Amino acid sequence: DIQMTQSPSSLSASVGDRVTITCRASQGVANYLAWFQQRPGKAPKSLIYAASSLQSGVPSRFSGSGSGTDFTLTISSLQPEDFATYYCQQYHNFPHTFGPGTKVDIK
Amino acid sequence: EVQLVESGGGLVKPGGSLRLSCTASGFSFRSYAMNWVRQAPGKGLEWVSFIFSSGAYIHYADSVKGRFTISRDNAENTLNLQMDNLRAEDTAVYYCARVIGVGAIDSWGQGTLVTVSS
Repeated sequence: DIQMTQSPSSLSASVGDRVTITCRASQGVANYLAWFQQRPGKAPKSLIYAASSLQSGVPSRFSGSGSGTDFTLTISSLQPEDFATYYCQQYHNFPHTFGPGTKVDIK
Repeated sequence: EVQLVESGGGLVKPGGSLRLSCTASGFSFRSYAMNWVRQAPGKGLEWVSFIFSSGAYIHYADSVKGRFTISRDNAENTLNLQMDNLRAEDTAVYYCARVIGVGAIDSWGQGTLVTVSS
C-alpha cells in the first residue's frame, strides 16, 4: 500500500497569512493526488484533484502543486473560513489512502 | 446540484450487521464510480470501498475485505454498503462520495454514524 504523510500535523496562522501544507507519498503517484478540507462536525469538501486542478467553486486562493511523491497545498491569503483540517489522498493505486491530516487553527 | 444522502446508520452489537444506503440526485448516477469513506471519532479519513459506474469493478480496504459488500442500483440511483460481522473498530461516520475521472472525489454526502458497541 502507498503510505501518505503530511507536514506539519498542525499549524497556527493569522488571517491574511500564506499557508503551505506538504504531502508526501511513499512511492510515486504521478499527479493522482487530491486535497480536501474538513471543518469541525462537517463532511469533507473537495478542493483540488490531479494535484493542481481546482474543483468547481473553490476560491482561487487555494492552489496545489507537485508530482510523483511530493505535493503542496497553498492558501495564498488565509480567510476565517479556512480554519479547518486538510487531507491529501492518492488515487493512483488501491487502496486510495489518505494522509493523516493537517489542522490549521487561529494564532 | 449534486446531492448524496446517506441513511441506515445506528447502534449495532459486535458481530452484527447493518446496511447503509446512499441516495443520489442531481446527476446521472449510472455514469459515475462511487466510494465509501469513513471517519472514526476524532480520527482521520479512511477509504473503505470503490465501485465502478457499471458495478463491474470493486475494491475494498483490507480492514473490511470479506466483511463488507458494496453494491449499487443504477435504476434506483442508490449506492449500498452491506456491513457484516461488525467490530468496535468499525465505529465511524460513513460517507458516500462521487468519483470523477480516474478516481478523484468531487462530492460528498453528509455522512451517517455507525456505532458498534455492546
